[in-house]
Amino acid sequence: QVQLQESGPGLLKPSETLSLTCSVSGGSVISYYWAWIRQPAGKGLEWIGHIFTSGNTNYNPSLRSRVTMSLDTSKNQFSLKMSSVTAADTAVYYCARDLGPGGHSTRYDSWGQGTLVTVSS
Amino acid sequence: DIQMTQSPSSLSASVGDRVTITCRASQGIGIDLVWFQQKPGKDPKRLIYAASRLQSGVPSRFSGSGAGTEFTLTISSLQPEDFATYYCLQHNSDPYTFGQGTDLEIK
Repeated sequence: QVQLQESGPGLLKPSETLSLTCSVSGGSVISYYWAWIRQPAGKGLEWIGHIFTSGNTNYNPSLRSRVTMSLDTSKNQFSLKMSSVTAADTAVYYCARDLGPGGHSTRYDSWGQGTLVTVSS
Repeated sequence: DIQMTQSPSSLSASVGDRVTITCRASQGIGIDLVWFQQKPGKDPKRLIYAASRLQSGVPSRFSGSGAGTEFTLTISSLQPEDFATYYCLQHNSDPYTFGQGTDLEIK
């Protein structure tokens, strides 16, 4: 069973850049899509985007201008950067496995525990 | 974007009840739908994928059905551990979108 673990700063000031990493163990990042999702306190889930091994990405249009995802196969991890953060970006950020060779069976079957990012001056 | 309308937003039920949660897609998504259960402070747990396939290890009282634009998650006989928030996710086209969630509470 693949395991995911998010890491990164938990407190940012407005206008700073959010930078999170998701480390994958128990499996390879190769040949899978990997996703980021966020959840403000007490609210629902929002899909941020996903990245494939090739570097192909798709981002939520609502965040596209501020989001960059990358993947490092040598470290078996992938990353999220979000620029110009505001208080509205305060949320728990999750990484998750999206699509792989198993097709539907791999869709969002594994998630990290989530990391809280707070944006405050 | 495909909009996922989930209903009800909250539901009070008793242990042993049968409950149904619905997600409607604003356009056809085939069977590209996943159902999750989330408990406070925890990451979402996948219950159903491909609209109707039960995740390994998930009790058989959970079932999913539907295709196209209308989907349902049914819990046949509620157990105390089932009180949680449930979400659907469509992954047919970018951006993927979640339903607003259903809070299942103890009556």
